[in-house]
Amino acid sequence: AQSVSQHNHHVILSEAASLELGCNYSYGGTVNLFWYVQYPGQHLQLLLKYFSGDPLVKGIKGFEAEFIKSKFSFNLRKPSVQWSDTAEYFCAVNEPYGGATNKLIFGTGTLLAVQP
Amino acid sequence: NAGVTQTPKFQVLKTGQSMTLQCAQDMNHEYMSWYRQDPGMGLRLIHYSVGAGITDQGEVPNGYNVSRSTTEDFPLRLLSAAPSQTSVYFCASSYSSGGADEQFFGPGTRLTVL
Repeated sequence: AQSVSQHNHHVILSEAASLELGCNYSYGGTVNLFWYVQYPGQHLQLLLKYFSGDPLVKGIKGFEAEFIKSKFSFNLRKPSVQWSDTAEYFCAVNEPYGGATNKLIFGTGTLLAVQP
Repeated sequence: NAGVTQTPKFQVLKTGQSMTLQCAQDMNHEYMSWYRQDPGMGLRLIHYSVGAGITDQGEVPNGYNVSRSTTEDFPLRLLSAAPSQTSVYFCASSYSSGGADEQFFGPGTRLTVL
């Protein structure tokens, strides 16, 4: 069965530092990949997604992620974080073939705290 | 356009009680699902539906029941609450079950079972 690993559980950065959050998935076939964000007290919202084409995906608020098929990875990056980026970040994957293909498998999440 | 709404926001139950968590969406989405979020475990899929009248089990379905009589509503029933069901529950919907669609999440229901 598909699984998703997020290597960093807690990350603390100062404002203007660069961010990279790791995400690896287990299934080697065709997958759709997502990063969701949950700001304090709010519900999850989509940051970006990859389903085909250019492996470098740009999302909202200056975030981007790179799909590296050979490494089963989909790492999230931002060149310069702001205090308002403090949130929990979830990587998720689904397999686009067979049955209800919108079943998302989530990683355990990374809690990012940005210090002003 | 309210998006995905959930009621109640908070609930405390005693072991053995039953209750229904409500979820509704006004976007005419085909696909709806329920997740539970627990610390250190991310979100886990409980049940999902690809359309009215069609439901199926996710990763952690035991102790929960769902039905989908209309496109808009997807209630989650706890049959006999247990402390292990203390969690935050999120409902989500997407336009289709096609895989690349963004899922829209509700604000969540925080459930405590004593």
